[in-house]
Amino acid sequence: NAGVMQNPRHLVRRRGQEARLRCSPMKGHSHVYWYRQLPEEGLKFMVYLQKENIIDESGMPKERFSAEFPKEGPSILRIQQVVRGDSAAYFCASSPRDRVGTGANVLTFGAGSRLTVL
Amino acid sequence: AQKVTQAQTEISVVEKEDVTLDCVYETRDTTYYLFWYKQPPSGELVFLIRRNSFDEQNEISGRYSWNFQKSTSSFNFTITASQVVDSAVYFCALSEAGGYSTLTFGKGTMLLVSP
Repeated sequence: NAGVMQNPRHLVRRRGQEARLRCSPMKGHSHVYWYRQLPEEGLKFMVYLQKENIIDESGMPKERFSAEFPKEGPSILRIQQVVRGDSAAYFCASSPRDRVGTGANVLTFGAGSRLTVL
Repeated sequence: AQKVTQAQTEISVVEKEDVTLDCVYETRDTTYYLFWYKQPPSGELVFLIRRNSFDEQNEISGRYSWNFQKSTSSFNFTITASQVVDSAVYFCALSEAGGYSTLTFGKGTMLLVSP
């Protein structure tokens, strides 16, 4: 019973390249959250998705960042034209459903993808 | 706006000592949820506890205990008789009712337990 699977665990990119981070939620989970952890900082919410829908992207930078969660396959966080400030750990979390209006869901986190931009 | 403050950046203790990690939060909601997560050196986040704002009973789970004080907006975490395996970064987090279970995290407290 695999947990939340993220890959790659480590990714190195040069400035200007694209980074694609993948997240497969826990079996039975249909809700995915992406968080970013900058060095010596807590995790910051980026985006919340359900299958084929972006529900809340209020934490996502307006440019260069995009996320999707297709009907089939993993969720993908895509960063175009990476800059050094994008270097961080990106965590994916999943939950079985969102009890809308409660905020009560316990999120299960993956091990993170660590992006280094040279 | 909601905010979580973990004032202790790093704590070092010797094995078997008791240690308390502080967490103070701010929210305008009357209904909310508080969480603690552990991030061991391997990097993943491990869920420890969830508490709703209407339940101020302290909770104990083995060597772990949590003290929720609504009057001071605090949700502190105590490890009794610490062990080397407790070494990790511990995050306190808050989610508000009416939202999508998105979490606001504190910056974390790094706990180092030495033998």
